[in-house]
Amino acid sequence: DAKTTQPTSMDCAEGRAANLPCNHSTISGNEYVYWYRQIHSQGPQYIIHGLKNNETNEMASLIITEDRKSSTLILPHATLRDTAVYYCIVRDPDSWGKLQFGAGTQVVVTP
Amino acid sequence: GAVVSQHPSWVICKSGTSVKIECRSLDFQATTMFWYRQFPKQSLMLMATSNEGSKATYEQGVEKDKFLINHASLTLSTLTVTSAHPEDSSFYICSASRAGDDQETQYFGPGTRLLVL
Repeated sequence: DAKTTQPTSMDCAEGRAANLPCNHSTISGNEYVYWYRQIHSQGPQYIIHGLKNNETNEMASLIITEDRKSSTLILPHATLRDTAVYYCIVRDPDSWGKLQFGAGTQVVVTP
Repeated sequence: GAVVSQHPSWVICKSGTSVKIECRSLDFQATTMFWYRQFPKQSLMLMATSNEGSKATYEQGVEKDKFLINHASLTLSTLTVTSAHPEDSSFYICSASRAGDDQETQYFGPGTRLLVL
């Protein structure tokens, strides 16, 4: 069972920031938060991951609350090509790298 | 870096035949490879975990004799769907964890769409 809860869908305007929430209230101290996205009919694409600190890379920023029970993925300037299903995944480092995918959030970026 | 390829990208076969899907890490060595299956409008379901030189570990409900996995090298894993039936039609996706990466981030292939007639 997925350990995360995400909204089913979100719309956002092209050029604006997209803020994708994820709840993981049962996360353990050594579990990482990973974000992937899947564009239609393609394999998932790694976006970012974090443990406690906020993280930023060329694709996105990850904001993790202090109690680690939720996080937000931020796409700073959404483009039409960012339309995809976004998956928030909590990964146990002792699980041999397994990822359990939930339903994710369908993000649609509109002009 | 961290490119994973799959071959073929799509395949159509007759019921009862076997189909082999290859997964390759092109620019890195993979400590572990994973195989997933995704039915239409559903999420990815992990089928098995594969380590080079050892037997694959299958998830509950996945028949190991039907979905044969061979992990011949640190850059190649194959999934063979034996005696395929229409219910095996699905999108098969592999991923690979890059050796030396912090927390073994998985990188996914583009997927193979299988249609069994």
